[in-house]
Amino acid sequence: EVQLVESGGGLVQPGGSLRLSCAASGFTFSNYWMHWVRQAPGKGLLWVSRVNSDGSTTTYADSVKGRFTISRDNAKNTLYLQMNSLRAEDTAVYYCARGAKHYFDSWGQGSLVTVSS
Amino acid sequence: QSALTQPPSVSGSPGQSVTISCTGTSSDVGTYNRVSWYQQPPGTAPKLMIYEVSNRPSGVPDRFSGSKSGNTASLTISGLQAEDEADYYCSSFTSSSTLVFGGGTKLTVL
Repeated sequence: EVQLVESGGGLVQPGGSLRLSCAASGFTFSNYWMHWVRQAPGKGLLWVSRVNSDGSTTTYADSVKGRFTISRDNAKNTLYLQMNSLRAEDTAVYYCARGAKHYFDSWGQGSLVTVSS
Repeated sequence: QSALTQPPSVSGSPGQSVTISCTGTSSDVGTYNRVSWYQQPPGTAPKLMIYEVSNRPSGVPDRFSGSKSGNTASLTISGLQAEDEADYYCSSFTSSSTLVFGGGTKLTVL
């Protein structure tokens, strides 16, 4: 069974940093593209970033480019999202998702990030 | 990259069919057959229902189907059931090599 478990969310002040992790199990992690997708409270989905199977190619939404960094450790079956210079508008549930370059076929349960003073 | 346009809400009675539209531009939906659809019941993570315009993952009922014409993709749910009540989101690959979602559509089963 595919499992994706996010961790690392919490309350952070504006301008602060946070690193999210996503532990993967039940499939060959190194074979898949991985994504981060977020959802602000009561709002819709917003694609954040993706990384290819070996970690050599990353892409970001304009709203996070230069502030967020996606990475992966295939030896540890773990996906990361380093978030710097956080803003109030980054407040959201962050989902880790497995998939192809252009869709997501399995999702984690999400990790809430709250940016507030 | 602007969000794709979906109707805020649709509704139907059990057994009926409903269609949710997803309108983009020639920079996304109109050019790429890389449109996917997700179902999100309240308080849960999204679930893939359709990928690459019209392909169903294993386990998704064949009551769910997808299509595309020009800049607009559509998700049709036939034989509506109470368990289909959820938010539905479309997504497309873009010419910037990013991904963009629609604003979401709330499906109510009357």
